[in-house]
Amino acid sequence: AQTVTQSQPEMSVQEAETVTLSCTYDTSESDYYLFWYKQPPSRQMILVIRQEAYKQQNATENRFSVNFQKAAKSFSLKISDSQLGDAAMYFCAKPFYNQGGKLIFGQGTELSVKP
Amino acid sequence: GAVVSQHPSWVICKSGTSVKIECRSLDFQATTMFWYRQFPKQSLMLMATSNEGSKATYEQGVEKDKFLINHASLTLSTLTVTSAHPEDSSFYICSASDSSSEAFFGQGTRLTVV
Repeated sequence: AQTVTQSQPEMSVQEAETVTLSCTYDTSESDYYLFWYKQPPSRQMILVIRQEAYKQQNATENRFSVNFQKAAKSFSLKISDSQLGDAAMYFCAKPFYNQGGKLIFGQGTELSVKP
Repeated sequence: GAVVSQHPSWVICKSGTSVKIECRSLDFQATTMFWYRQFPKQSLMLMATSNEGSKATYEQGVEKDKFLINHASLTLSTLTVTSAHPEDSSFYICSASDSSSEAFFGQGTRLTVV
């Protein structure tokens, strides 16, 4: 069975500092997508960044970047220059085998940002 | 990005009544829609997958007679919680996919059963 695991229930970072959220997954696929979603207190799911497994280059979106290690099945999210608005739940997610938008989510990491 | 609208954002209903939640894809055709349930401080738990014009596929442990899902068009799916009880109180989120690997999420519905 496919699994997505986030082992950090809570993380804290000082404003303007950098924080890394961890995610590991299990799959037998060779090509797939991986996602990080942000869920602020409003609870709207916001796509932060996506990675295509066949691309060796790590995805980057402004202050957000990933460290994708395919062989290790690891997909961590790095947030640079953390801002107060980054405080939220962060979920790592992966689609089920060949099932489009059907996602498996990790347990989530609650990130707090200290001023 | 694509827009998915979920309505209502919150609803309070009396125990024993039914409540319907709508999920609409506003600017694309959603071949598949997904319904999730989320408890406070927890992850999203997939309840069911619905494809336009066919019966929904429910995840193990989800009562299909309690959570009725209809996907009558490529832009609308509805979740009806029948004979709601306090334990059905939760946050329900829909997402829609256009057959790509990306899913687009609605704003969610907070259901409180009193």
